[in-house]
Parts: sequence; C-alpha cells; structure tokens
Amino acid sequence: RKEVEQDPGPFNVPEGATVAFNCTYSNSASQSFFWYRQDCRKEPKLLMSVYSSGNEDGRFTAQLNRASQYISLLIRDSKLSDSATYLCVVTTGGGNKLTFGTGTQLKVEL
Amino acid sequence: NAGVTQTPKFQVLKTGQSMTLQCAQDMNHEYMSWYRQDPGMGLRLIHYSVGAGITDQGEVPNGYNVSRSTTEDFPLRLLSAAPSQTSVYFCASSDGLPISGEQFFGPGTRLTVL
Repeated sequence: RKEVEQDPGPFNVPEGATVAFNCTYSNSASQSFFWYRQDCRKEPKLLMSVYSSGNEDGRFTAQLNRASQYISLLIRDSKLSDSATYLCVVTTGGGNKLTFGTGTQLKVEL
Repeated sequence: NAGVTQTPKFQVLKTGQSMTLQCAQDMNHEYMSWYRQDPGMGLRLIHYSVGAGITDQGEVPNGYNVSRSTTEDFPLRLLSAAPSQTSVYFCASSDGLPISGEQFFGPGTRLTVL
C-alpha cells in the first residue's frame, strides 16, 4: 500500500464548478499535511497547509480527518487557471521528510 | 533572490557515465533535499540535508551521492548512470524542517540515460 494515495483523475470539470479531491495516508505518526500544485512540466508549489480544524484560502478549502487518516481539498468556482495536478503531501520520518502522493489531475474546461 | 536554481536543465547521458546535478539556494535555508519524479510514481525523496555537513538518505538513495559543504549548495552525484535513472530531478529547500512549512523547489533537471 502506498503511503499517500490519491485518485489520479483526470477530473474534467466546467468553469464555475465545485470539485473535491481526496487523499488518504497510511502513517498515523504523520504530523503535517499540505496540498501542492504542479503545472505541466513545472516544479511543485505550495497551495496550502492543512490543519485539523480545517482551513480556507479564497476558493480553496482543506480538511483533515486524523481518525480516518484522510485529507481533502475543495475548489469552488473553478477557473481555467486552476488546471494543474494537485499533490497531497504528508511529513514522515519525525518531520524530516515529505511523502508525496502521485497527484490528481484537474482540467477545467469552458 | 534567485530562489532555488538547478543546472543543467536538460542532460543526456550514456549508461555508465557519471555526472553531478547542481542545486543552489540564496535564501539561507538550512534544509535541502533531492527528489526524482517519474510517471505514476510521484516525487520520491533521494537524499536530504538538515544543515551544512549533515546528509541522510531518503526513500531511493541507491546510485546517488550527496554532500553539503556549504549552506547554499547541495549537489547530487550519479556515480554510474543507468537507464532506470532517467527521470526529472527536483531540488528543494526550506527554512526549517518540512514539518514546519513550505518547501521551495527548483525548476528541475530532465535527465535521460541511454
């Protein structure tokens, strides 16, 4: 079983739609959680950290369920510019290391 | 600030050749790391360093060496290239340990081993 699992997609959605991505992680000792965004043939960039209480950044909402070892990302009012691969990331190794999911591809269409 | 820079951007090697992928950051970050990204595999940690003079292995260290003689530089050496090392390599840095925040990635090196 992979340490971090994501549905690879692609998710094809129309502009303005709401889309949700899910991620599960296997290491119950993981302490920090993130969503990164990666555009085609570019480097990953931090989208947002994920906190136990849930957090929001504009159109983006992240949730963490430690009991179920589950992380989610909700994107409201999708824009064409949201088209990218979204990477679920957790810390491991006592916080010294990051483990990445394989990513979920989002395509927002007119 | 240039951020995290990587050279070269592209490289083609023959099996058995050695080379060094360069990574430098100008943000005075203590933590630096190397990842490889392959289709369907996600980013996998090769080696990391929590400060000058300190390095440790990640998930896939075999065939790679690193050193950290300065805070700014973290080169990755391929000892004897193999086709299985064909990949995109990303270097990253952060102010503290990954647990505490954002990793800044370089633009990547696309390596092909024939």
